[in-house]
Order: sequence, then structure tokens, then C-alpha cells
Amino acid sequence: TQLLEQSPQFLSIQEGENLTVYCNSSSVFSSLQWYRQEPGEGPVLLVTVVTGGEVKKLKRLTFQFGDARKDSSLHITAAQPGDTGLYLCAGRNSGGSNYKLTFGKGTLLTVNP
Amino acid sequence: GAVVSQHPSWVICKSGTSVKIECRSLDFQATTMFWYRQFPKQSLMLMATSNEGSKATYEQGVEKDKFLINHASLTLSTLTVTSAHPEDSSFYICSARDRVWPESYEQYFGPGTRLTVT
Repeated sequence: TQLLEQSPQFLSIQEGENLTVYCNSSSVFSSLQWYRQEPGEGPVLLVTVVTGGEVKKLKRLTFQFGDARKDSSLHITAAQPGDTGLYLCAGRNSGGSNYKLTFGKGTLLTVNP
Repeated sequence: GAVVSQHPSWVICKSGTSVKIECRSLDFQATTMFWYRQFPKQSLMLMATSNEGSKATYEQGVEKDKFLINHASLTLSTLTVTSAHPEDSSFYICSARDRVWPESYEQYFGPGTRLTVT
């Protein structure tokens, strides 16, 4: 079973601060995705990273995939209250034919105004 | 973009009754759909993988006789919680993979169904 350790589990910061969320595993993933979920809604895909060492930017969000494709990070610059939500990383298993995703436990981010 | 809907969005039922939740891909065909369960402030836990025209594959610890999955068409999968108990109360989310792009990395998630068993 491939596991994804996500940290921190909870994060409460002030508006304007920077933060980084980490997603680590001992296993290699074919690709890794980051989602954001608001209460009572389904997860919304933010980004997919595929290549080791890949860096993707989405406005104030920067996503990085580790060289060995075992870990990833999400960095938010100048956080805003609208960034509040549950951030989930999910890895697609190497091999197999059903493309199952393994989810991390999530990081619940609260950005206070 | 690819849209997945779920119905109902929330449901309250009495203990011992059965509840059916629908998951539909609205603008694409999905050979594979996934059913997840999520408790408050926790991550998604995969319950089963639903393949069109074949039996679902359940994750370890998930009772297949309690959580019946039917993927009868390329746009519809249903999850029936049979003989529901209060501990089955949860947020159920489905996702779907686009049939046209078999190498696509993405699963498209539905908005979820809140089940409360009283």
C-alpha cells in the first residue's frame, strides 16, 4: 500500500503570511495532484505534476514535485482569507490499470483577516 | 470542462433503511468511477472502484454487501447504502475518469452527498 504523509495537518495563519504544505512518501508516484476542498463540496483540482523536479505556478501558489517523484510541496505566497480550505495531495499509483489515487490526510488551512 | 454531478446532495434516512446515491458524468463518458467516503475534517478514503459493465472492486475493509455499487452505463454509477446505521453517516464523494483520454491523470470529482442516518 502506498501512503502519503501530509504536513502540517492544521495551519492557522494571518493574511499576508507565506506557508508551505508538504506531501511525502517512501513510494514513487507516476503523478501527483493537489486539490482544494471547501466544506460540503467536492475536491477541486489545482494542479497535476508529472515530471520529477517539476515546478508549476498558479498565481500565488507554487507546486513542486520531488526529483525522485516521492514528495511534493505546495507554497502559498501572501495568503488570503479566500485560500482557507482543506488542501489534499493525491498520488497516482505507479503501474496498475485503474488509476487509483492515494490521498494524503489533508491540511486544513485557515487564513485569518 | 468535465462535470460530475451527484444526487441527492444531502439525505436523511432512518436506521435500517436503504439509500441510493447517484453519480453522473454530464459531458463525458466514464468507464471508471470511484466512490470515496469522508469524515469531517478528514481526507478522502477510497471505498471502491466502479467499472462500467463489471463488478466493482472494493477496498479492504469495505463491506460489498452493505455498499452496493452499480455502474450500468458510461455516465452513471450508483452507490446504495443498505440497512443504514448511524455510523454510516458521512460525506460520500464520487469521481470519474474520462473514457476518451485513457492516459489522463485526472479524476473529476462530484460535489458530494451528505448522508445522515438517524
